[in-house]
Amino acid sequence: GIQVEQSPPDLILQEGANSTLRCNFSDSVNNLQWFHQNPWGQLINLFYIPSGTKQNGRLSATTVATERYSLLYISSSQTTDSGVYFCAVPRGSARQLTFGSGTQLTVLP
Amino acid sequence: NAGVMQNPRHLVRRRGQEARLRCSPMKGHSHVYWYRQLPEEGLKFMVYLQKENIIDESGMPKERFSAEFPKEGPSILRIQQVVRGDSAAYFCASSSRTGSYEQYFGPGTRLTVT
Repeated sequence: GIQVEQSPPDLILQEGANSTLRCNFSDSVNNLQWFHQNPWGQLINLFYIPSGTKQNGRLSATTVATERYSLLYISSSQTTDSGVYFCAVPRGSARQLTFGSGTQLTVLP
Repeated sequence: NAGVMQNPRHLVRRRGQEARLRCSPMKGHSHVYWYRQLPEEGLKFMVYLQKENIIDESGMPKERFSAEFPKEGPSILRIQQVVRGDSAAYFCASSSRTGSYEQYFGPGTRLTVT
């Protein structure tokens, strides 16, 4: 099956800093999603981004499908950004998602 | 516009009991997915259903686990004779039949087996 790798596994930032999270996948995909799992365990949709670049406030994402990677940028980080960030891609033409192991982000005040 | 709803949010069962987890998809969505997150691990796909059909259950343990999505009512994930290793967060997601395949997740059910 498709492999999804995320880096770094852990990231500690001071409030106000910027960061880049990476997601590599082993096969071509027609869909990619980024999620934030907050400290209460809820999964929040960040981006649905099969290709190209999207921005939403302080967050933006870029997927380069031909090179099989996606990047999530967080600018001017806040303590509420803490949590685990997952990327997920479908298996082949199927809809069900394969998740990466996540990046644990801690933003210190 | 209600999102994906799951209940109960927390469920405690003793070993050997049955657990029933419910999921109501977003309005207009007819595809439902169940994922499991074991402690300190990522999310793993379990089963994909459409109304009255199981499309893919390749991620579901072969024994004790079953899922359904009836014509009327919520999707149900049933775990019979629970064991301590079943303790996990179970998430349901839904997507539209057409257009974007984007999946939206519910708040999850935290199952604790004592």
